[in-house]
Amino acid sequence: GEDVEQSLFLSVREGDSSVINCTYTDSSSTYLYWYKQEPGAGLQLLTYIFSNMDMKQDQRLTVLLNKKDKHLSLRIADTQTGDSAIYFCAEWRSGGYQKVTFGIGTKLQVIP
Amino acid sequence: ETGVTQSPTHLIKTRGQQVTLRCSSQSGHNTVSWYQQALGQGPQFIFQYYREEENGRGNFPPRFSGLQFPNYSSELNVNALELDDSALYLCASSLVGASGGSLFYNEQFFGPGTRLTVL
Repeated sequence: GEDVEQSLFLSVREGDSSVINCTYTDSSSTYLYWYKQEPGAGLQLLTYIFSNMDMKQDQRLTVLLNKKDKHLSLRIADTQTGDSAIYFCAEWRSGGYQKVTFGIGTKLQVIP
Repeated sequence: ETGVTQSPTHLIKTRGQQVTLRCSSQSGHNTVSWYQQALGQGPQFIFQYYREEENGRGNFPPRFSGLQFPNYSSELNVNALELDDSALYLCASSLVGASGGSLFYNEQFFGPGTRLTVL
């Protein structure tokens, strides 16, 4: 199957860390992505991880992948009000064509 | 700014009508994908075009069709509009390379979307 699941809402205080979680079902996924969508805007790719990696760090962002549990997380350090947005977890199985399957999105609210 | 543009920004149609949405890919990109994002949902893959041919399709009926032009711009056409077609339609372009019979995909860049409302 091709399901990607996320919690709907997360609220954090400015300066704290945010952790957004995602589970996926397709064990053959090759790439796993985190996208950010601000109101009225398209999707911005934040970061991605190959399925043969456990962790990837990029400035304030840390992605952790647990392949055994098919669990992906995005940690945002020192969360800022500008991080308020909807965050989508997505997966892509390579081969054939570039179909990306998205989760429903987690709305991150940052309280000043 | 990703360099991917879409038009129009907003559109209102009535049930049964037909609509054409347009996408201009980022310079140098040869592949375009279209997604439908209903309110409160994640984007759903409609189809992908590579070198002017459809090379992948999601779970959408045939009344959703597309075109990719030699300059790699693209259109999404929807016939016999239904109320449930109301959504944000996103296109994404990427550069696909071919070597030894295999295709190699790079990052997709999304446009800002077209908001379609069907009344």
